[in-house]
Formats: sequence, structure tokens, C-alpha cells
Amino acid sequence: GAVVSQHPSRVICKSGTSVKIECRSLDFQATTMFWYRQFPKQSLMLMATSNEGSKATYEQGVEKDKFLINHASLTLSTLTVTSAHPEDSSFYICSAQQGSNTGELFFGEGSRLTVL
Amino acid sequence: GENVEQHPSTLSVQEGDSAVIKCTYSDSASNYFPWYKQELGKRPQLIIDIRSNVGEKKDQRIAVTLNKTAKHFSLHITETQPEDSAVYFCAASIAGTASKLTFGTGTRLQVTL
Repeated sequence: GAVVSQHPSRVICKSGTSVKIECRSLDFQATTMFWYRQFPKQSLMLMATSNEGSKATYEQGVEKDKFLINHASLTLSTLTVTSAHPEDSSFYICSAQQGSNTGELFFGEGSRLTVL
Repeated sequence: GENVEQHPSTLSVQEGDSAVIKCTYSDSASNYFPWYKQELGKRPQLIIDIRSNVGEKKDQRIAVTLNKTAKHFSLHITETQPEDSAVYFCAASIAGTASKLTFGTGTRLQVTL
């Protein structure tokens, strides 16, 4: 199957700093990528849809100014958590769709963010 | 929007027994239903999926059934093994669009020896 790579896998930062997470589709082009957040022992909650060359679409309740998404190329989307706080500590996972109509998504390895 | 409910939240079976996880969805427009297996701290892995034009799909020990009328779908794992222990998520989306998956709440499956 297709490969989606995320970096970094783990990051620890101080409260108030910003953290950038990268999501790359390694062997296919992805016009659309999705960012999910998963708290411990909970489900994956969609945060936003990242569209190449245009603004991201955020789900209700997700602050667009806090979670900055940039999808500058067909293989790279970035999520920046700005002014991070301990409550932002979570597992962030990106996914990308291969093909336009299959519906199958491939997930990155996830990035565990810990804000001290 | 779509709402996906999943039951049970935890399931413990003995090795060799079958496990069944059930999900219901709310949006009748949903037509793509994948199941993911997630081990602790790792990415979700697609194990099987079904589209709304079929009622059942099987892949070795894993099968999924779909009842469009009732808007529910189920995952069946037969002859369970310890390595099947993980969290399983069902999901639903409208394939063909930018497929936003709505996930169920997850089922923690424990296969005991």
C-alpha cells in the first residue's frame, strides 16, 4: 500500500512554544490530507482537512489560528501547534488519500506531543 | 454530520474463539466502511473495508457485514490469536469525495491464552 510518513514521532516542548509536524506522502501525490488528534484511550477525531494550494478546512471547535496547516506541495502537509499548552498534549496523526475515488486512506506513524 | 457508534468498548475472548464488533452509522449517504487495527502508540492499519454495493466481504479470518437498511456493519474475527489483541476502530465516509472518515469510539480486544 501507499506510504505516509510523519515527523517527528515524538516531541516534547515547553508551554508557550510552537511545534511543527510534517506529513509526507512518499510514493504518491495527495491533493488532500487529513489531520487527526487522538487522546489516550480515545478515538481519532478529525481536526482539519488539508488541501494542496488552498486553505485548510477546520472541523467545528478546532481553532484555526492555533493549529496552522500548510499544504504547499502534493506530497507535504504541515501542522503547527502554536503557543502550545499542556492540554494540547496528544497523539497527532495525518492521513492521505491515494487516488480520487477509492476512499482508502493511509495513515502516518503519528506524532506524540507532550507539552510541559 | 456523520455519527458512528461502536460496541462493545472492550472485548475479551479466549484464543480460538470468535470476536464480533458492531457499529452503527447515521448518514445514509455514507458508502465506504473501513475497519482499522491500532496497536498501542502506532498508526491505524486498515484490515478490511466494505463498500455499500456489497453485503459481506471476507479475507481469511476476518469478515465484515453491512446492512444498509439498518445502517449497521460488523467485524467478525474467527479463530482469534493473541496477536489479534489491539484496539479496533470502525469508520464511515462518503468515498469519492475528499474522504473524511468518521471513526467509532474503538473496541479494545484482548485475546487470552
